[in-house]
Amino acid sequence: EAQVTQNPRYLITVTGKKLTVTCSQNMNHEYMSWYRQDPGLGLRQIYYSMNVEVTDKGDVPEGYKVSRKEKRNFPLILESPSPNQTSLYFCASSSPSRSSSYNEQFFGPGTRLTVL
Amino acid sequence: GESVGLHLPTLSVQEGDNSIINCAYSNSASDYFIWYKQESGKGPQFIIDIRSNMDKRQGQRVTVLLNKTVKHLSLQIAATQPGDSAVYFCAVMRFGGYNKLIFGAGTRLAVHP
Repeated sequence: EAQVTQNPRYLITVTGKKLTVTCSQNMNHEYMSWYRQDPGLGLRQIYYSMNVEVTDKGDVPEGYKVSRKEKRNFPLILESPSPNQTSLYFCASSSPSRSSSYNEQFFGPGTRLTVL
Repeated sequence: GESVGLHLPTLSVQEGDNSIINCAYSNSASDYFIWYKQESGKGPQFIIDIRSNMDKRQGQRVTVLLNKTVKHLSLQIAATQPGDSAVYFCAVMRFGGYNKLIFGAGTRLAVHP
């Protein structure tokens, strides 16, 4: 089954304790991205990657890191989490548009993070 | 900067009625407009999209209307069912490089029997 998986699905942690949220896709997609979802703000892009070893900042990258060593994986790293990073996080993957048409982004199930 | 907004945070409808969810966007250079449905505990799921050179597109029980003059997008759901209860997001995209999506805040659709 084609899918994007994220782990963990739920995480409660304390300020300053480094954590990693994993993301993996089995669709051989080049593009992957991370979003955070907060009430009243919709989804905002944190980081994205257009291919292996190619990553770039989205709209809200502060406090986050990513890496793309393999095509299928795109982990999100919080080196020193703070309470304002309490949010719902989504990973997504897609292929680049080859004919000026929209190539659907597939979203993972989400990771609910609470930083105390 | 570019922004996408929804007119109503919540919408309540009776089962069997038609639902209309609205969205406004700021950038007239947007190329694609997409509607997503997010059910409780799940990630957003693609519903339907429309290119900027179109003004209407129909799917199964859903229709998207695009009015570029006033930069307005709407999603119409015919004969709304309980399974349609979810949060609906519109998103806009401009081609070039990564093809970034800008999302609106979402409208929660509640369907009552």
